[in-house]
Amino acid sequence: AQSVTQLDSQVPVFEEAPVELRCNYSSSVSVYLFWYVQYPNQGLQLLLKYLSGSTLVKGINGFEAEFNKSQTSFHLRKPSVHISDTAEYFCAVSLRQAGTALIFGKGTTLSVSS
Amino acid sequence: DSGVTQTPKHLITATGQRVTLRCSPRSGDLSVYWYQQSLDQGLQFLIQYYNGEERAKGNILERFSAQQFPDLHSELNLSSLELGDSALYFCASSEGPGGSYEQYFGPGTRLTVT
Repeated sequence: AQSVTQLDSQVPVFEEAPVELRCNYSSSVSVYLFWYVQYPNQGLQLLLKYLSGSTLVKGINGFEAEFNKSQTSFHLRKPSVHISDTAEYFCAVSLRQAGTALIFGKGTTLSVSS
Repeated sequence: DSGVTQTPKHLITATGQRVTLRCSPRSGDLSVYWYQQSLDQGLQFLIQYYNGEERAKGNILERFSAQQFPDLHSELNLSSLELGDSALYFCASSEGPGGSYEQYFGPGTRLTVT
């Protein structure tokens, strides 16, 4: 079975500081990797995804993530955060086959203050 | 706006009752997913339909059922409701059935069972 672990449930940072949200996954088969963001009272929006190729993936809003196969990690980073980045961030995996859905981590709440 | 619509936005009902949640996918998307988000369980996959056929099943209770109609909209039926069914229910759609396709999430239906 597959599982996703987000190592930090809450990450408080100051505006313009760098941030890293950590994600580890467990799977016996190859997976695709995703990061989604959920703003208050809204649905989920895709930030970025890793399907294949370069292990460094760039997404929207200045976020990037690096796939590390040996450490089974897919950590999300941003060099300088804004107040507007305050939201819940979810790491997810899906199997490399048809008929599969997303398996989500528990989420990390990023709180950016001035 | 993801292009996925869900109705109603909020639903308050009593234990033992039955409700129907509705989802209209993005134009052109053939695959519909249902997810449940609760504080204790997090985001959990319930069921997937692709072009009218059930494609994958997750942690969906026997009291819950879903279908996808010829016009591709989907309904999630929840019966014999219990307090623990209170949650945010998301619908997502994607172009294809596989894990590599980006899923677009609707704004969700918040169900409160009293």
